[in-house]
This record gives sequence, C-alpha cells and structure tokens, in this order.
Amino acid sequence: DTGVSQDPRHKITKRGQNVTFRCDPISEHNRLYWYRQTLGQGPEFLTYFQNEAQLEKSRLLSDRFSAERPKGSFSTLEIQRTEQGDSAMYLCASSLEGVLNSPLHFGNGTRLTVT
Amino acid sequence: AQSVTQPDIHITVSEGASLELRCNYSYGATPYLFWYVQSPGQGLQLLLKYFSGDTLVQGIKGFEAEFKRSQSSFNLRKPSVHWSDAAEYFCATANQAGTALIFGKGTTLSVSS
Repeated sequence: DTGVSQDPRHKITKRGQNVTFRCDPISEHNRLYWYRQTLGQGPEFLTYFQNEAQLEKSRLLSDRFSAERPKGSFSTLEIQRTEQGDSAMYLCASSLEGVLNSPLHFGNGTRLTVT
Repeated sequence: AQSVTQPDIHITVSEGASLELRCNYSYGATPYLFWYVQSPGQGLQLLLKYFSGDTLVQGIKGFEAEFKRSQSSFNLRKPSVHWSDAAEYFCATANQAGTALIFGKGTTLSVSS
C-alpha cells in the first residue's frame, strides 16, 4: 500500500492560465474522488469515479473544471482559465468500495495559488 | 440535505487531559457518520464510523465517539490527549446516495504541555 499520491504538491499560476493536477490512487481501488478544501473549511466534494466512469459531479464543478480517469487508474483534474477563487487545496481520495463499505484514503493534496 | 456542524473552530487541551469534540448532524433517518483526522502534512485518516447498532464506537488511536439521536450529536472523545493528537478533526456524513462524504468545517485541536 503505497498510498494515494498527488502531483504537484504546489502550483502557482497566473489568473487565466490552465492547470492540471494528477492523482494516483491505491492500485486496487476502483473508486476515486476529488475534493476541494479552502482555508477554514472542510473538504468539499467535487466529483467521483468508479473505474473510468465519472458517476457524480458536484454543482461546485463549474464548466471550467474537467476530470478524467481514462483507464480507471490515475486521474487528472484540469482547471481552465483559472480565477483567484480557485485557490485552494485539491484533495484526491480512493477507496476499494463505496464510502459506506470502505474508508477513503486521501492524498496529501495539491495546493493551488492563483495570482 | 445531509449536513454536519462542528460548533468549535479551535480547542486547546492540556496534555493528559480528556477531550471531547462536538459534531451535530442534520438528517431525519439514522445517518452514516464518520470522524477523520488531518495531521500536519498528512492526508485525512479515518478514525471511526457509525452506521447502526451500538451507539458507542471505538476507533483508532484511542478515540471513541457516541451517537446520541436525542441530541443529533456524534461527539468524539479521548480520555487522555497526547501531544501527537494536535491536528484538525473533521466530522462527516454520507450524502443521500451514499456515494460521497460531506464534511464539517473542522475543529483544530492544540495540545499544551
């Protein structure tokens, strides 16, 4: 169990630029989740994959956000035309089964700063 | 919609003292409730969960939580706090579909010597 890894750890970008984050889940986990955490808030659900299928998207996930999990393994989260309000910690988590049957394993996150 | 509220933003406890972190849930039926801990520089880790049955649940690292339907609460407790328990603690519940977790805003625990 090598854990959930996220890359990069930190990203600083200028407003209007596109950014892409990567998440590598625990290898046998077929569920993958993206969350966003801002200062003083708990993690907020963005989207969820079961294998390669994106099954649920939060209304927080605007049109500028897109997530993929092309082969049911790693996932990418892209933010287009970044805004200062996108500054946050982006967390990835994976689980063997659904949240009611197995714990979520979280990565350390990617901290995005939009200047 | 399901939600959890953590009334305390920050709590300071002396090392060796007991700890109670509060969590209130909002949902009509029996909710699915969780406590996660986020230590500095580490990812969130599940401490314990409650779905049904015995209302006192034991977790890892010496933590326990008690589900009280009459008070809509699921408070986290530890009899004796260690300095390494300093972290941020999140209460969470499952969404209606049971597909994702909804987190509270968290309580930051500081431990004084």
